[in-house]
Amino acid sequence: DAGVTQSPTHLIKTRGQQVTLRCSPKSGHDTVSWYQQALGQGPQFIFQYYEEEERQRGNFPDRFSGHQFPNYSSELNVNALLLGDSALYLCASSLVAGAGGGGELFFGEGSRLTVL
Amino acid sequence: AQTVTQSQPEMSVQEAETVTLSCTYDTSESDYYLFWYKQPPSRQMILVIRQEAYKQQNATENRFSVNFQKAAKSFSLKISDSQLGDAAMYFCAVGGGSGNTGKLIFGQGTTLQVKP
Repeated sequence: DAGVTQSPTHLIKTRGQQVTLRCSPKSGHDTVSWYQQALGQGPQFIFQYYEEEERQRGNFPDRFSGHQFPNYSSELNVNALLLGDSALYLCASSLVAGAGGGGELFFGEGSRLTVL
Repeated sequence: AQTVTQSQPEMSVQEAETVTLSCTYDTSESDYYLFWYKQPPSRQMILVIRQEAYKQQNATENRFSVNFQKAAKSFSLKISDSQLGDAAMYFCAVGGGSGNTGKLIFGQGTTLQVKP
């Protein structure tokens, strides 16, 4: 049973560029959440996708956008990259958002983004 | 707003000994869940233990147990018989109730070192 997979594992971009990160959820999961983890810090919630719609959003600017596909996989897009966007981006999957809370999140290994 | 505070940036324990990691939180939710996640150097976040706030009984998972003090908004993790493989960064997190499986608020983390 494949867990959460993310690609790419590492990437380097320059300021002003755009980046797309990809995530495939654990088999049977339909909800995908994205987190940003700066070095030495805890993850911060970016947004959550369920039924191909953004359901919740954290305190991130509109430069951060996402998409969920019919097969539940998801993309995170970041436009006009800033140096401060350098971080580990984690994808987490879970069962349906309305199922009653407390569901375990399964995390991928993350995509390490470096902005120069 | 929900907040999570881990006041111990680093902790150290001798192999086979017991260690307790501290966590305090604040939330306006009446129905919420608390989590401890482990993040080894491989980067993948792994759920260690989960506590439903409405349950008075402290959760236990093999060598891992929690001390949940709801009135004090405290949620500490006790690791018994520490093993070298327990060395990792540990994050405390709080999540809302029904319909909110994806959004967790994480603390800053505690790095646990296990000495042989």
